Amino acid sequence: DIQMTQSPSSLSASVGDSVTITCRASQDISSYLDWIQQKPGKAPKSLIYAASSLQGGVPSRFSGSGSGTDFTLTISNLQPEDFATYYCQQHKSYPLTFGPGTKVDFK
Amino acid sequence: EVQLVESGGGLVQPGGSLRLSCAASGFTFSDHYMDWVRQAPGKGLEWVGRTRKKANSYTTEYAASVKGRFTISRDDSKKSLYLQMNSLKTEDTAVYHCVRVSGTYNLDFWGQGTLVTVSS
Repeated sequence: DIQMTQSPSSLSASVGDSVTITCRASQDISSYLDWIQQKPGKAPKSLIYAASSLQGGVPSRFSGSGSGTDFTLTISNLQPEDFATYYCQQHKSYPLTFGPGTKVDFK
Repeated sequence: EVQLVESGGGLVQPGGSLRLSCAASGFTFSDHYMDWVRQAPGKGLEWVGRTRKKANSYTTEYAASVKGRFTISRDDSKKSLYLQMNSLKTEDTAVYHCVRVSGTYNLDFWGQGTLVTVSS
């Protein structure tokens, strides 16, 4: 199975900040990497697919980059609605696997 | 508007069975692979399995942790996805989400989920 790791596990930030979350795969997954946002009690929401493509309706302050084993999610100009947990997920091979999540909360 | 609404969760004893359903609307259900993903209380996301569409013979994939115990099926005429769970274990306790798979194979739309509690 492909193992996904994320760093940091949590971070504190303020509205207007720029934050970066890193995701690493245990083997080459090309660009088969997605980012998912989850707020407490809500359904997860797809943000970015294929490492860098924005899902429809997602604000442009979200951006993704990377390929192979190393990926990043950047949120520029953090907004109040962005405080959530973010997961990376690979779909290069079965079983699909998720990173452990990064919780972004208020400083 | 795309909607995925899960139902069928509840409390079940270890060793018991439960069948979850997911009602889809707002898109052409038969065109999509569909997944189940679960989340144990306070934990992260865990992929459970997938059913492909008719053109791919409705073939399925499963996580090792549920293979042989869980079965995913679908009824395109009813726009519904199912998860039959047998031989349930306490570690199967989780919110189970129904998820649409896009044409680029990302999990592009998630249902709210239904809670399954396995406890004596």
